[in-house]
Amino acid sequence: DTGVSQNPRHKITKRGQNVTFRCDPISEHNRLYWYRQTLGQGPEFLTYFQNEAQLEKSRLLSDRFSAERPKGSFSTLEIQRTEQGDSAMYLCASSAELGTQYFGPGTRLTVL
Amino acid sequence: DQQVKQNSPSLSVQEGRISILNCDYTNSMFDYFLWYKKYPAEGPTFLISISSIKDKNEDGRFTVFLNKSAKHLSLHIVPSQPGDSAVYFCAASAQYTGNQFYFGTGTSLTVIP
Repeated sequence: DTGVSQNPRHKITKRGQNVTFRCDPISEHNRLYWYRQTLGQGPEFLTYFQNEAQLEKSRLLSDRFSAERPKGSFSTLEIQRTEQGDSAMYLCASSAELGTQYFGPGTRLTVL
Repeated sequence: DQQVKQNSPSLSVQEGRISILNCDYTNSMFDYFLWYKKYPAEGPTFLISISSIKDKNEDGRFTVFLNKSAKHLSLHIVPSQPGDSAVYFCAASAQYTGNQFYFGTGTSLTVIP
């Protein structure tokens, strides 16, 4: 399967804990995106990378959130000191230059 | 500020009939539009796209129409099949946003056998 993969698929954590999610994009895609989706809403843009450079961050991405793409391949999204409001589906997508974004299955985060 | 709107949260259609899903946008700089289909517990799956230089794009049973003056696009599915039952999102982007996509809130389509 050469699609976008995300791990873990589900994460349950207690408030105040740190969590890290991983995204592996389609191998030939140099652009990688993170989105967050809550119930009844469409995906909301968080940040994107072109190769290893993080080129844009949404104001939704508070200072508790950090994303990296160290070698221009996989990416990680870390949330520090999680809050109940962070509970959501975190989606990763990749694309080749400007074009259609292909999404992974998402990581569902539940903060208790 | 919701720049992409899908005002119908749900739609039910008989199998074999046409499904029409609508989407409106407010940003006149948007120049690329996509429709995604989403099943529960899965990520969105790309369905069809259209750029602002066209007013129609067709792919099998799926056709997207773009009306730039009205800032409106629609997705037509004909004939509708039970497997089309899912949530459909429209998304829009502009080159100046660096390919950041803005999504609508989705329309849940149910195709009744």
